[in-house]
Amino acid sequence: QKEVEQNSGPLSVPEGAIASLNCTYSDRVSQSFFWYRQYSGKSPELIMSIYSNGDKEDGRFTAQLNKASQYVSLLIRDSQPSDSATYLCAVNTGFQKLVFGTGTRLLVSP
Amino acid sequence: EAQVTQNPRYLITVTGKKLTVTCSQNMNHEYMSWYRQDPGLGLRQIYYSMNVEATDKGDVPEGYKVSRKEKRNFPLILESPSPNQTSLYFCASSQIFSGANVLTFGAGSRLTVL
Repeated sequence: QKEVEQNSGPLSVPEGAIASLNCTYSDRVSQSFFWYRQYSGKSPELIMSIYSNGDKEDGRFTAQLNKASQYVSLLIRDSQPSDSATYLCAVNTGFQKLVFGTGTRLLVSP
Repeated sequence: EAQVTQNPRYLITVTGKKLTVTCSQNMNHEYMSWYRQDPGLGLRQIYYSMNVEATDKGDVPEGYKVSRKEKRNFPLILESPSPNQTSLYFCASSQIFSGANVLTFGAGSRLTVL
């Protein structure tokens, strides 16, 4: 079982819709969780971090964490074509040990 | 501007010809790391460093070497490159906070080994 799993996609949504990206992880002791966005040919950039159960909102982005289910999600409201990218889930499995999922490709059509 | 700088950005080389990819950060970060990114495999950690003269293996260290003689620099060395090291490489850095890894990535170095 992979440590961090994501559906590779592509996930296609129309402009203005809500995009829902999901991630599961295997290590129960993981304490911190991150979503990075990566445009094609570019480096990953951090968009959200979450450390406790529940929801965390930042603009159009909401991260959701459920440690009991070992599940992290990212919701993007009012999706824009500029949101089209690969979204990487990353999980801290120990001090400074960060494991990335393979990413979900999101396509937002005008 | 706070950044991580990698060089070269693109490199085509031949099997067995030693090469070094440089990485430098100007944020006084203690932690630095190298990743490779391959289709379907995601980002995999090669080596990391917690501070000067403190380096350790990541998940895929075979065929690579690193050094950390200065806090700002963390070069990746391929002593004898092979075609299976053709990949996109990223250097990243962060401050050390327990449980937090807010990484700043370099722009990436695309390496092709023929």
